[in-house]
Amino acid sequence: ETGVTQTPRHLVMGMTNKKSLKCEQHLGHNAMYWYKQSAKKPLELMFVYNFKEQTENNSVPSRFSPECPNSSHLFLHLHTLQPEDSALYLCASSQVSRGTGYTFGSGTRLTVV
Amino acid sequence: AQTVTQSQPEMSVQEAETVTLSCTYDTSENNYYLFWYKQPPSRQMILVIRQEAYKQQNATENRFSVNFQKAAKSFSLKISDSQLGDTAMYFCAFISNFGNEKLTFGTGTRLTIIP
Repeated sequence: ETGVTQTPRHLVMGMTNKKSLKCEQHLGHNAMYWYKQSAKKPLELMFVYNFKEQTENNSVPSRFSPECPNSSHLFLHLHTLQPEDSALYLCASSQVSRGTGYTFGSGTRLTVV
Repeated sequence: AQTVTQSQPEMSVQEAETVTLSCTYDTSENNYYLFWYKQPPSRQMILVIRQEAYKQQNATENRFSVNFQKAAKSFSLKISDSQLGDTAMYFCAFISNFGNEKLTFGTGTRLTIIP
């Protein structure tokens, strides 16, 4: 399998639930990213992991908790979310300093009820 | 901080025609990369074309080409002989600060190809 794989593709969760989004890249890249894409809003960069170290946290609420156990896997742990957190969550990876851009997964469509 | 502006929220064009999507950006950097990404209804962001700022020659990929004007900080995408499969959101994006690179996106242009 190649590219960036995200699971699940769709997720519906209640505000008191705990769930996790998973991202896996098979490209040998050394950086991974979480983006949030809401309707009628620009893409929002949430977290950056560079060589497994978190280098960016763009004022994301603590109800979102990232985890990067190795350079191929990235998780986004979710708990006590709000309805406004409903969005498409995109994972991406890149090879830093190559200027080749990011490779994206297909996203997880999250609905908080 | 870098910013990317796409001033056309929506566009539509007849199949087989040519369409140009506009993008401007703001940066104080001299070395950077610019990209156009396509996001069809399947949701996956797909890289369409990439331009290195230090190259004067405009990038081309089959029916896709760019008009890169570095002094004007303009980076437009031209799609020739448009096809129904080109219907998608198109995002212009920018990277600099290599080593801790963050891809900055514009707000996107929704392109519809009309049969």
